Amino acid sequence: EVQLVESGGGLVQPGGSLRLSCAASGFTFSGYAMNWVRQAPGKGLEWVSYISFSSSASYYADSVKGRFTVSRDNAKNSLYLQMNSLRAEDTAIYYCAGAFHGRFDPWGQGTLVTVSS
Amino acid sequence: EIVMTQSPATLSVSPGERATLSCRASQSISGNLAWYQQKHGQAPRLLIYGASTRATGIPARFSGSGSGTEFTLTISSLQSEDFAVYYCQQYNNWPPFTFGPGTKVDIE
Repeated sequence: EVQLVESGGGLVQPGGSLRLSCAASGFTFSGYAMNWVRQAPGKGLEWVSYISFSSSASYYADSVKGRFTVSRDNAKNSLYLQMNSLRAEDTAIYYCAGAFHGRFDPWGQGTLVTVSS
Repeated sequence: EIVMTQSPATLSVSPGERATLSCRASQSISGNLAWYQQKHGQAPRLLIYGASTRATGIPARFSGSGSGTEFTLTISSLQSEDFAVYYCQQYNNWPPFTFGPGTKVDIE
């Protein structure tokens, strides 16, 4: 069964840091580019970051550039998002999603990040 | 950045009826468009890619059409499990990947 499972979300104070993880199983993780997508409470989907299958390329939304870093460990079938200098507006459910020729599939179930004092 | 818009924001439909959702790109994206379904409390699910190709396991009542800047998702006969929010996403010019604001399909 193809599966992505996110973890690492939680409550963090403004200015704090958090590291999200996404564990992949059931498919050849090393052959897929990956993305992080977030969804603020009651809002739509916002692309956050992309990393190529080999980690040779990564991209970020302007809203997180310079604060978030995406990485992956193909040996561990895992994707990561290091989030620093967190702001209230970063509060959202964070999803990891595979990227195949631009389309996002599969998706994980998401992990909630709440930035609040 | 390519801006995606969707209409209507909310579509009220009775079960068994046809639903037509629209998506527009601020510039041509050829056929590089995907549609996703998100049910309440769940992750999004890929429905359509390449503007008109159904993803694996997606029922034939879902169909996509369009190219350039104008796209349509049609649900031919709404089932109870189809009431959800639908998002379009372009992957022609990236980064960034951009999503539309969504269309909520609810029960009339």
